[in-house]
This record gives sequence, C-alpha cells and structure tokens, in this order.
Amino acid sequence: DTAVSQTPKYLVTQMGNDKSIKCEQNLGHDTMYWYKQDSKKFLKIMFSYNNKELIINETVPNRFSPKSPDKAHLNLHINSLELGDSAVYFCASSQWERQLTDTQYFGPGTRLTVL
Amino acid sequence: EDKVVQSPLSLVVHEGDTVTLNCSYEVTNFRSLLWYKQEKKAPTFLFMLTSSGIEKKSGRLSSILDKKELSSILNITATQTGDSAIYLCAVAPTGNQFYFGTGTSLTVIP
Repeated sequence: DTAVSQTPKYLVTQMGNDKSIKCEQNLGHDTMYWYKQDSKKFLKIMFSYNNKELIINETVPNRFSPKSPDKAHLNLHINSLELGDSAVYFCASSQWERQLTDTQYFGPGTRLTVL
Repeated sequence: EDKVVQSPLSLVVHEGDTVTLNCSYEVTNFRSLLWYKQEKKAPTFLFMLTSSGIEKKSGRLSSILDKKELSSILNITATQTGDSAIYLCAVAPTGNQFYFGTGTSLTVIP
C-alpha cells in the first residue's frame, strides 16, 4: 500500500498557467508538508500543516497556495507559473507528538517543468 | 537563523572504501536529527538521533550525534555501488519544522 502518494508524477506546462499537485497519505498522520527540491538537489520546506492548520509558511511567493481539505490531504496550487518554479516537489507526512517520532515519510515527488 | 550544513558536498570512492559524511547544525531547542538517503526517487529514512539515542547502527551504516559539537556523522563501511546516492541530514527543533542540509552526493565506483 502506498503511504504517501502524489499526483501527477510529471507535469509540463507553459509559463503563466495555473496548476495543482495533489498529495494524500494513508498513515493516519496529522502533519503534512510540501518541499521544493531545486536542480542542485537542495530540499527546502515550503509549508507545513498540522490538523488542517497552516503552521509553517516559509518565504514562498504567494502564487503558491496550499489547501488541506482534511488531515489526509494537502494539495499545492500554483498560480501564474514561472520558469523558476521548475523543480521536483515532494509531499511528506509525519505524526507530531511531544515525544520523538519525527520521522517524515515522503511521497514519490512531482517533477514540474515550466516552459 | 537556524541552519544545517553538510560536508563534503560530493564524494567519489571505490567499492570497499569507508566513508564519513558530516552534518553540523545551528538550531534553537534541538529535538532530533535525521539522516535520509535519496537516490532517483524520494528520500528514504535511515536514522533518527536524539538526546536519548545518540548512536544508531544498521548493517554497514552507522551514525553518531555529538550534541556538544552540534554535529553528526554518518559512516558507511565496505561501500557498494548501491550506496551511490545523495545523503541528506535534517534537524528538527521544537515544533514541526525540519531544516535540511544541502546533502552530500556520494558516488561509489566499482
């Protein structure tokens, strides 16, 4: 069974378009994340949601808007796509507890190419 | 500003060699440090180190946390070509934030 899934796996689009990437986890976790990995393989957190509430919003253009309809889903919508948005976007989930279970489980990634 | 630095950025070794990857961090209220292996797909979890568990070992891989030096090392002994990957270090301070280093790209040649 897939723990964290993302769709689509590949996304090729023109500049200026609006696109969405979906993420779902079936692990029962209460926290989900979006990461951007650029061409240099640097992984940077974009957003984090805990129980459908936004708790981390790093310095990300407001063209990026996360949507969490429920604890198991965290979708990423991108408006007015730019060339610099080309990257691999990873979704992840974890169970936030006051103890030490910080392990994040990653989805397979979505490779976005903006032409 | 919280940050995580990994070194070296890249490394090329021969099969059978032993490698040591470094991760240093500056974060407030440290809670845990995690190591991931990333090949062509998503990062896969290797180890989590905390104040109560500063050394972990799994097969040829082992990791140690030095809280005094604010660093961790990942050792791989008897390297194999399948170990070729990017190794990511991430640090979790309090809350749900994770800070990733830039990764170390390891290439093991036959």
